[in-house]
Amino acid sequence: DAGVIQSPRHEVTEMGQEVTLRCKPISGHDYLFWYRQTMMRGLELLIYFNNNVPIDDSGMPEDRFSAKMPNASFSTLKIQPSEPRDSAVYFCASAPGTGGGQFFGPGTRLTVL
Amino acid sequence: ILNVEQSPQSLHVQEGDSTNFTCSFPSSNFYALHWYRWETAKSPEALFVMTLNGDEKKKGRISATLNTKEGYSYLYIKGSQPEDSATYLCAFPDKLIFGTGTRLQVFP
Repeated sequence: DAGVIQSPRHEVTEMGQEVTLRCKPISGHDYLFWYRQTMMRGLELLIYFNNNVPIDDSGMPEDRFSAKMPNASFSTLKIQPSEPRDSAVYFCASAPGTGGGQFFGPGTRLTVL
Repeated sequence: ILNVEQSPQSLHVQEGDSTNFTCSFPSSNFYALHWYRWETAKSPEALFVMTLNGDEKKKGRISATLNTKEGYSYLYIKGSQPEDSATYLCAFPDKLIFGTGTRLQVFP
């Protein structure tokens, strides 16, 4: 298996633009997680899905952020409009269940100018 | 909110030294703890899944112990090597919370 795939790996955009981050989880994993990593706050959970259904989105910072999982092999995290404070590395992870570890993607480094 | 503390925040050791660091957490309602290793510019990699009080896990030179009654887990690295340099995170899968990590740097 190729592991968790994220795209793009790097994204530079201007304030106010819409940004869409993509994730392909490991096949057969029922859980998908979106995290944001910043220097100040470390690794924070934004939202997670179980069997394509959003379970907990309490970590989503505000209404500008939205996430979808239309099927078991694809998820998106959208920021609209983007702001400079959204600059961070966004990780997607998947897991077969809650008991074992999560498998992380390579991350997307987002810079909002 | 689960209060998870990792200490020390950072650690510098010489190649060959053994080292250890701590993840502390409230002991009530424990479910499981995960240790991750996170190298700079890479994504976190799962090291251990710990569920039972007294658990000891080992992977090469790295091992971990768990004490759920007193609320801590130790990660040990025996004979540190420069390639062990990374941030080591503990995480609580049921609460989906990560600690802030211990940043280890091993000098040759």
